[in-house]
Amino acid sequence: DIQMTQSPSSLSASVGDRVTITCRASQSISTFLTWYQQKPGKAPKLLIYAASSLQSGVPSRFSGSGSGTDFTLTISSLEPEDFAAYYCQQGYSTPLITFGGGTKVEIK
Amino acid sequence: EVQLVESGGALVQPGGSLRLSCAASGFSFSNYSMNWVRQAPGKGLEWVSYITAGSASIYYADSVKGRFTISRDNGKNSLYLQMNSLGAEDTAVYYCARYFDYSRRMDVWGKGTTVTVSS
Repeated sequence: DIQMTQSPSSLSASVGDRVTITCRASQSISTFLTWYQQKPGKAPKLLIYAASSLQSGVPSRFSGSGSGTDFTLTISSLEPEDFAAYYCQQGYSTPLITFGGGTKVEIK
Repeated sequence: EVQLVESGGALVQPGGSLRLSCAASGFSFSNYSMNWVRQAPGKGLEWVSYITAGSASIYYADSVKGRFTISRDNGKNSLYLQMNSLGAEDTAVYYCARYFDYSRRMDVWGKGTTVTVSS
């Protein structure tokens, strides 16, 4: 099984900050990496797919990069509505997909 | 509007069974693979099961293999998850999600249905 490790597991940031979340795969997954945002009590929302493609309707302050085993989700300037949990998901071994453990972005 | 609506969650005793449903609307359900994903209280996301558009291929996570059965009825635009031999570890919110096989992403999710396994 491909393991996905996210870091940090949580972070505190202020509105306007640049935030970076990292996801590492236990083996190369090419660019089959997806990012989701989840707010408390809500379903996950697709942000980024194929490592760097922005899902339609998602603000451009969100961006993704990486290939192989190391990936990054960046929020260029944190907005109040961005405080949430973020999950990466590998699709290389589809349909046996796996998620990272999540990163909770909290207000400083 | 593209929408998925889960139902069927309940409080069930250990060893019991439950059938979840997911009703799709606003898109051609029969053209898409589908997933079930769950989230235990305070925990992360866990993929549970996958089914192709025509039901030809089905996969399960090891944690549910032999106990859960995924199925779909394209005539009714519905996805199902039959869960047997439930244990406390199955307590979670269960989501259905539309899956793009080519880009490996889940772009539409339901709001989830809650399964609680407790005596």
